[in-house]
Amino acid sequence: GAGVSQTPSNKVTEKGKYVELRCDPISGHTALYWYRQSLGQGPEFLIYFQGTGAADDSGLPNDRFFAVRPEGSVSTLKIQRTERGDSAVYLCASSHNPDTGELFFGEGSRLTVL
Amino acid sequence: ELKVEQNPLFLSMQEGKNYTIYCNYSTTSDRLYWYRQDPGKSLESLFVLLSNGAVKQEGRLMASLDTKARLSTLHITAAVHDLSATYFCAVDHTQGGSEKLVFGKGTKLTVNP
Repeated sequence: GAGVSQTPSNKVTEKGKYVELRCDPISGHTALYWYRQSLGQGPEFLIYFQGTGAADDSGLPNDRFFAVRPEGSVSTLKIQRTERGDSAVYLCASSHNPDTGELFFGEGSRLTVL
Repeated sequence: ELKVEQNPLFLSMQEGKNYTIYCNYSTTSDRLYWYRQDPGKSLESLFVLLSNGAVKQEGRLMASLDTKARLSTLHITAAVHDLSATYFCAVDHTQGGSEKLVFGKGTKLTVNP
């Protein structure tokens, strides 16, 4: 596709369950980012991949959160033992131009933990 | 730690009026971005400002960057209803091989007829 694709667009789960969120970046984009946006706030950085490796995971809030990008394209954000405070929109972005650093965002996955 | 502050956080203005949104940041950076977000939608890139003194214009919006003052402005000229949205500034925070953007809290703009 032409843009960053994220699935599911909406996910409702119960406290304590495991969740996976998928991101398919723009073809050819080597850099991939996950951000989290709570209601009324700006996006907050979670993790950055350059190729297959996580170059910076300093934004992951705790060890319940993990992300992978095994082939340098699609990425999956995994959340274990979900808590109500994890409810937010999880945004994925990709970038290909280090000269500008411009990020292109997907529509996001809205996670609701009941 | 890089902090990005926008003001105002909420702005209600009438069609035809002019206004400026401010974005201040706390540590040195030469790259700043403005994004627009409509309710329930993702972020749309508006402007990429890559150097001190950079000025870019698109329609009724004009963005500028003063890296010495650590300040960017987004100026709205003769506002129209279609500009109603939340506007975010984001500052490049490249450090130790990591590249990421740090966002402000956003300015929710409402343009009234």
